Amino acid sequence: AQKITQTQPGMFVQEKEAVTLDCTYDTSDPSYGLFWYKQPSSGEMIFLIYQGSYDQQNATEGRYSLNFQKARKSANLVISASQLGDSAMYFCAMRGLNTGFQKLVFGTGTRLLVSP
Amino acid sequence: DAGVIQSPRHEVTEMGQEVTLRCKPISGHDYLFWYRQTMMRGLELLIYFNNNVPIDDSGMPEDRFSAKMPNASFSTLKIQPSEPRDSAVYFCASSFSGTENQPQHFGDGTRLSIL
Repeated sequence: AQKITQTQPGMFVQEKEAVTLDCTYDTSDPSYGLFWYKQPSSGEMIFLIYQGSYDQQNATEGRYSLNFQKARKSANLVISASQLGDSAMYFCAMRGLNTGFQKLVFGTGTRLLVSP
Repeated sequence: DAGVIQSPRHEVTEMGQEVTLRCKPISGHDYLFWYRQTMMRGLELLIYFNNNVPIDDSGMPEDRFSAKMPNASFSTLKIQPSEPRDSAVYFCASSFSGTENQPQHFGDGTRLSIL
């Protein structure tokens, strides 16, 4: 079975600073993918970034980067230069080879609040 | 490009009524997923389809829930009869299976309230 753990229910950061949102995972799949989604207060789920388990480099997408440490089974999201619009819930998710790379398992989320 | 389209955005109905949620996936996507989000249980996968065929419905809570995908551009999730504990946000998502890094794209969700 796959499991995602997000231990930070809430995080605070000041505008323009960087913040790291933690995500650890547990899986027996030899190959898997890790995703981060953002859910603003308006409710939609927005895909941010993807990391494959065999990717040699950490994924980056604009101000988002993923600090992937395979041996520690962690996939932390780093947001650089935080903006007020980054205030939202952030979900880490994974899917694996054993489920055909289709069934996403989500963590419980971290609520990020960016202050001016 | 149009994203995943869900309707209605909000639904308020009385216990015992039939509820039908609708979803139009992104054109060309071959997988469609239905999720339910609640404060208590977080995001739960209810059912997913591949090429209009249900693949895994193990997350469907009980027989009151049913989902269909009559064609590649339309799916429904039906609750009959509805109960107050069904109140949640229901998301539809779609994805393309071409490569393993393809994310699921979510609709805006349907906020369902059963009184």
